[in-house]
Amino acid sequence: AQRVTQPEKLLSVFKGAPVELKCNYSYSGSPELFWYVQYSRQRLQLLLRHISRESIKGFTADLNKGETSFHLKKPFAQEEDSAMYYCALMDDMRFGAGTRLTVKP
Amino acid sequence: DAGVIQSPRHEVTEMGQEVTLRCKPISGHDYLFWYRQTMMRGLELLIYFNNNVPIDDSGMPEDRFSAKMPNASFSTLKIQPSEPRDSAVYFCASRTSGNEQFFGPGTRLTVL
Repeated sequence: AQRVTQPEKLLSVFKGAPVELKCNYSYSGSPELFWYVQYSRQRLQLLLRHISRESIKGFTADLNKGETSFHLKKPFAQEEDSAMYYCALMDDMRFGAGTRLTVKP
Repeated sequence: DAGVIQSPRHEVTEMGQEVTLRCKPISGHDYLFWYRQTMMRGLELLIYFNNNVPIDDSGMPEDRFSAKMPNASFSTLKIQPSEPRDSAVYFCASRTSGNEQFFGPGTRLTVL
């Protein structure tokens, strides 16, 4: 079965520190992966998708087929990055369990 | 465009009652998804439709849950009878093929 795994439910870092949110996937074909973010009292929204290879709000994510990973990274976390982050596999639109990121001042 | 619309935003009901959640997708989107969000399990896909036809309902927890999409602009998720463990936030989302999903604001359901 296809699935997405986010091993950390909670992640806390200090402002200015690097942050990495982990996502591993299991998929038999060529996956199309997304990161979605949910800020407090806002809707879930797309953060980035691997095919676009862009940096959004300083975040990047690289698809590593060898490790079957799609980790989300940012070199210098900001307090406004505090949110719930979900990794998703486009092919069956199933999401990981999510990681709540808290950036402390 | 108001985006995906869900109603009600909050629902409090007693165990055993029927609950109906409603969703209006973005016009022109041919896929509609229902998700349930809990602290323990994160965001779970319950069911999705393509062109109003249910494609995958393997995530529907049990027979107490049912979903319909009578036309391209409306879908319902019904729980009958409701139980306290159904308490969660239920999201509806829509998209066109190959594109990002747009989520509604969610319905926060509390079953007492």
